[in-house]
Amino acid sequence: ETGVTQTPRHLVMGMTNKKSLKCEQHLGHNAMYWYKQSAKKPLELMFVYNFKEQTENNSVPSRFSPECPNSSHLFLHLHTLQPEDSALYLCASSQEWRVETQYFGPGTRLLVL
Amino acid sequence: DAKTTQPPSMDCAEGRAANLPCNHSTISGNEYVYWYRQIHSQGPQYIIHGLKNNETNEMASLIITEDRKSSTLILPHATLRDTAVYYCIVRVSDFGNEKLTFGTGTRLTIIP
Repeated sequence: ETGVTQTPRHLVMGMTNKKSLKCEQHLGHNAMYWYKQSAKKPLELMFVYNFKEQTENNSVPSRFSPECPNSSHLFLHLHTLQPEDSALYLCASSQEWRVETQYFGPGTRLLVL
Repeated sequence: DAKTTQPPSMDCAEGRAANLPCNHSTISGNEYVYWYRQIHSQGPQYIIHGLKNNETNEMASLIITEDRKSSTLILPHATLRDTAVYYCIVRVSDFGNEKLTFGTGTRLTIIP
């Protein structure tokens, strides 16, 4: 138990659906991250939020829309995804943005049909 | 960018020390070496990090060469639960933005 929770743990959606992934951290951290892990590919950083402000967007397609209402919660809104977006989506947090000891949630395994 | 090179896979007998190497020949003087691991179907787990000196915690030891171009993660008494993908990471800076960049890691299998 790392103090970072993610829901749902598994999600199957069609290409026309809209869904949201939720991440919550109970560590009092100020930075939160979304990563994507596709099969047999390295972990890819998608978004970084520091004190609720987005500090990084790694050229992520607009069909992925992050939201950070407060330092403890992070959402990833999904719409009109493609089958190649099927992956494990990981949320992480750290004390500050530039402190690299990140704590990861268990991930949401997403399948786009 | 500083990048790391790790062997794609390794086996280790249960109860033995697992030594995982990592090359980071272009590392800068102020960049740390971090190790994470990812057990199947779980999120990555922080293990240890260091700058110059060797480090030890309850999970592992980190040995960094004097020239800092390579390091070794040591799991002193490997158990079956240590089977995972181990990532060696150096902190990279890109126009003031800092981020962890994960490579493909080493898949460590502990053999009973």
